[in-house]
Amino acid sequence: QVQLVESGGGVVQPGGSLRLSCAASGFTFSGSAMHWVRQAPGKGLEWLADISYDGGRQYYADSVKGRFTISRDNSKNTLYLQMNGLRIEDTAVYYCARKSLSGWEEFDYWGQGTLVIVSS
Amino acid sequence: QSVLTQPPSVSGAPGQRVTIACTGSSSDIGAGYDVHWYQLLPGAAPKLLIYGNSNRPSGVPDRFSASTSGTSASLAITGLQAEDEADYYCQSYDSSLFWVFGGGTKLTVL
Repeated sequence: QVQLVESGGGVVQPGGSLRLSCAASGFTFSGSAMHWVRQAPGKGLEWLADISYDGGRQYYADSVKGRFTISRDNSKNTLYLQMNGLRIEDTAVYYCARKSLSGWEEFDYWGQGTLVIVSS
Repeated sequence: QSVLTQPPSVSGAPGQRVTIACTGSSSDIGAGYDVHWYQLLPGAAPKLLIYGNSNRPSGVPDRFSASTSGTSASLAITGLQAEDEADYYCQSYDSSLFWVFGGGTKLTVL
């Protein structure tokens, strides 16, 4: 069965960096585009970034462009999110999600999330 | 401020029918981009509920249905059950903003 497991969250000071990982299993990772989505405390879901199946194309939300970098290692079945210049408002649960192969482009599988707290 | 607008909360008694609206604009839903719906339970991974405006993934009960018209979409849940108590989010696409979500709706089963 499809599994996505995020890791790498924690507490970091403003201006600091973190790298999140998303370990994928149960499907052909190298064939799927992937996304990062977050949910700040008491807020809704916010799409952050996506990456094509081969890593050749990435798109970012304006809120993280220039600070966050999405990447993947298909040999390790792992998705990454490098987060630099972290701000208080980046505090959130971060989810990785798979873009469906159905053709409708929904996010058909999600991980359980990893919590990032940006605080001094 | 989410791009798609949802009511913050809805409620209904067991067995009743509730609907959750999702209002967009000519840049997203109104531009013909598909709408998807997700269910978020506390501590659990978000779950795909409806894709492509009205399609249910395998395993999602037919009590859940959705439709899209113009710049809006709607999720309906019939035969409400206690286990349906969760947060529900609509999602679409915007040509400038890429993927956009609604602000989420908390469903309370009375």
